[in-house]
Amino acid sequence: EAQVTQNPRYLITVTGKKLTVTCSQNMNHEYMSWYRQDPGLGLRQIYYSMNVEVTDKGDVPEGYKVSRKEKRNFPLILESPSPNQTSLYFCASSPRVSGPSNEQFFGPGTRLTVL
Amino acid sequence: AQSVAQPEDQVNVAEGNPLTVKCTYSVSGNPYLFWYVQYPNRGLQFLLKYITGDNLVKGSYGFEAEFNKSQTSFHLKKPSALVSDSALYFCAVRRERDDKIIFGKGTRLHILP
Repeated sequence: EAQVTQNPRYLITVTGKKLTVTCSQNMNHEYMSWYRQDPGLGLRQIYYSMNVEVTDKGDVPEGYKVSRKEKRNFPLILESPSPNQTSLYFCASSPRVSGPSNEQFFGPGTRLTVL
Repeated sequence: AQSVAQPEDQVNVAEGNPLTVKCTYSVSGNPYLFWYVQYPNRGLQFLLKYITGDNLVKGSYGFEAEFNKSQTSFHLKKPSALVSDSALYFCAVRRERDDKIIFGKGTRLHILP
């Protein structure tokens, strides 16, 4: 089944404790992206990647890191989480970057609480 | 600056009535426009998109959207609402020159039985 998977789905942690949220897609998509969803603010893009070893900042990259060593994986790293990073996080992928734009496929979300 | 606006936080519609969820955009270059739906405790699902061509776009679950270049709008519509259409709807625009994705803040649609 074609899908985007995220782990963990739920995470409660404490300020300053490094964490990684994994994202994997099995559709051979070039483009991958991370978003956070907050009430009243909608979806905001954190980082995106157009291909392996190519990553770029979105609108709210502060406090986050990403890497794209393999095409299928795009982990989101919080080196020192803070309470303002409490949010619902979504990973997404789409087939291509250039040419006609393609819709994104979203993972199920990761609800992160930082105490 | 590029932006997407969904002017209504919430829309209430009686079951069986037509529904409209509004979206306006402001981007430079050719806009690629999308609608997504989010059901409770789920990720976003693609509904439909406008890239070029016919201004009326048909999508999943009986939804359609009308692209209006002069009004820079891309409103989502459905002729007859179902209770199961109740969800959070997001409009998004992909700017052609750098593929930056911009989402609206979302509109919560309530279909009343």
